[in-house]
Amino acid sequence: EVQLVQSGGGLVQPGGSLRLSCVASGFTFRSFDVNWVRQVPGQGLEWISHISSSGGSVFYADSVQGRFTISRDNAKNSLYLQMNSLRAEDTAIYYCARDRDSLAKGDYWGQGTLVTVSS
Amino acid sequence: DIQMTQSPSSLSASVGDRVTITCRASQSISGYLNWYQQKPGKAPKLLIFGASTLEYGVPSRFSGSGSGSHFTLTISSLQPEDFATYYCQQSYSTPPYSFGQGTKLEIK
Repeated sequence: EVQLVQSGGGLVQPGGSLRLSCVASGFTFRSFDVNWVRQVPGQGLEWISHISSSGGSVFYADSVQGRFTISRDNAKNSLYLQMNSLRAEDTAIYYCARDRDSLAKGDYWGQGTLVTVSS
Repeated sequence: DIQMTQSPSSLSASVGDRVTITCRASQSISGYLNWYQQKPGKAPKLLIFGASTLEYGVPSRFSGSGSGSHFTLTISSLQPEDFATYYCQQSYSTPPYSFGQGTKLEIK
C-alpha cells in the first residue's frame, strides 16, 4: 500500500525555522517526483515546491523562494521541507504529494501537518 | 506564471443533478490539467488527470474534458458523497503547478 506519512509541524515564532518530513512506503520512492502543497485552513490549495526523482531539479513558488528548501534522501525514502524566516502568512496545513508521471500529478498525498507561525 | 480560474466558486445542487465546473488557464496548457476532490479535514484526492483520464477507482459519473485553456469537470448524477470542494491544477511544462481557487459543491 502506498503511504506518505508526514511529521514535523507545530507552533513556531515569526522568524523561526521548522523542518517537515514525509516518509514514503509501498513504492520505489527514488523513481518519483514529489511536491509540497499548502493550504491555509478554510482556503484553497497552493503549490509551493517540487523536487525531481533524483533531487537534481527543484522549483519553488515565489512566496517561499529563498526561505524554504526542498530536499530528499532516497536511501531513507524521505522528503523534507526546511522552512526558514517563517512569517504569519506561512501558517497552513502542509501536504506532501507524489507525481505518478508527467500527466498524473498528486496521485498520493500525505495526511497533512499544521504549521502555525505566531508569537 | 500560469493562472487558473475556476467557476463557479460555489454551487448548490441536489442528489441526482448533473453539474459542471469550469477551469480556465491564462495560457494554453495543452491537456496538462488535473482535477481533485477535497473533503473537510482530508487531503485532496486525484479524480482526473490529463484533462480527461479518470483516475483508478474513481466512479464513471465523473468526467473531464477540454484542451488548450478551457476545461470542464462534469458529475453526471450527484451522489451524497460528492458534496466537497473541487480544484483544478495545471501541470504544463515546468513548475509552478498552479491550482484554481476551488469550487465548493453544497447540497441544495
